[in-house]
Amino acid sequence: GAVVSQHPSRVICKSGTSVKIECRSLDFQATTMFWYRQFPKQSLMLMATSNEGSKATYEQGVEKDKFLINHASLTLSTLTVTSAHPEDSSFYICSARWAGGSWDTQYFGPGTRLTVL
Amino acid sequence: SQQGEEDPQALSIQEGENATMNCSYKTSINNLQWYRQNSGRGLVHLILIRSNEREKHSGRLRVTLDTSKKSSSLLITASRAADTASYFCATLSGGYNKLIFGAGTRLAVHP
Repeated sequence: GAVVSQHPSRVICKSGTSVKIECRSLDFQATTMFWYRQFPKQSLMLMATSNEGSKATYEQGVEKDKFLINHASLTLSTLTVTSAHPEDSSFYICSARWAGGSWDTQYFGPGTRLTVL
Repeated sequence: SQQGEEDPQALSIQEGENATMNCSYKTSINNLQWYRQNSGRGLVHLILIRSNEREKHSGRLRVTLDTSKKSSSLLITASRAADTASYFCATLSGGYNKLIFGAGTRLAVHP
C-alpha cells in the first residue's frame, strides 16, 4: 500500500515550452503533497507544499508563477513548469502524506527527469 | 532550505564492512528520518527515530540520535553491493510539517 506514482518518468522539451508533471497517490487519499527538486549529485530541495483545495505554499526563492501547482483532488497534484529553460532541467520528486495516517510519514514518487534543450 | 550537513559526502567500502554516515541539523526536531536513493530513482524510507529516542535498529541498520549535539548517525552492518546508493537524513520540525533533507552521503560498496 501507500504507492505514489509520477507521470511522465522522463521528459525532454524545447526551451520555452511548458511541461506538466503529475503526482498521484494510487491507494490512499493525500491531503498534502510536496514537490522537491534535485540537481545531479545534490540533495532534495523542497519547492512547495500543496494542500488539496487550496493554494500551494512555496519555499523561499521558488517562483510561484514559474512552477504552477494544482492539487485539485485528494489523489492528484500537478506541477507545471512554465516556459522551461535549460536551468530548469532537474529531477522532480513528489511525496504525499496520507490523510488518515501519521503526519510523520510521507510516501515518495519515483521522480520525473526533466531535460530542457 | 537544507537543514544540515552529512558526512562523509562519499564513502567507498568493501562488501562485508560496516558503513557509518553522520548527519547534523540546526533546529529542534520532532523526528529524524533516513532515506536511501538509488541512482536516478525515488526515495526509500529506511527508519525514523523520534526526538525522545536515542537508538533504533532495523535489520542491518542502526540509527542513533543525539539531540544535545543535534546529530544522528546511520550504521549499516555487513554491507552488500546492493547497499550502494545515496543516503539522506531528513528532519521534520513541528509547526512546519515538512521534511528538510541533508546533503546526503554517496555510498559505494565494492564486491
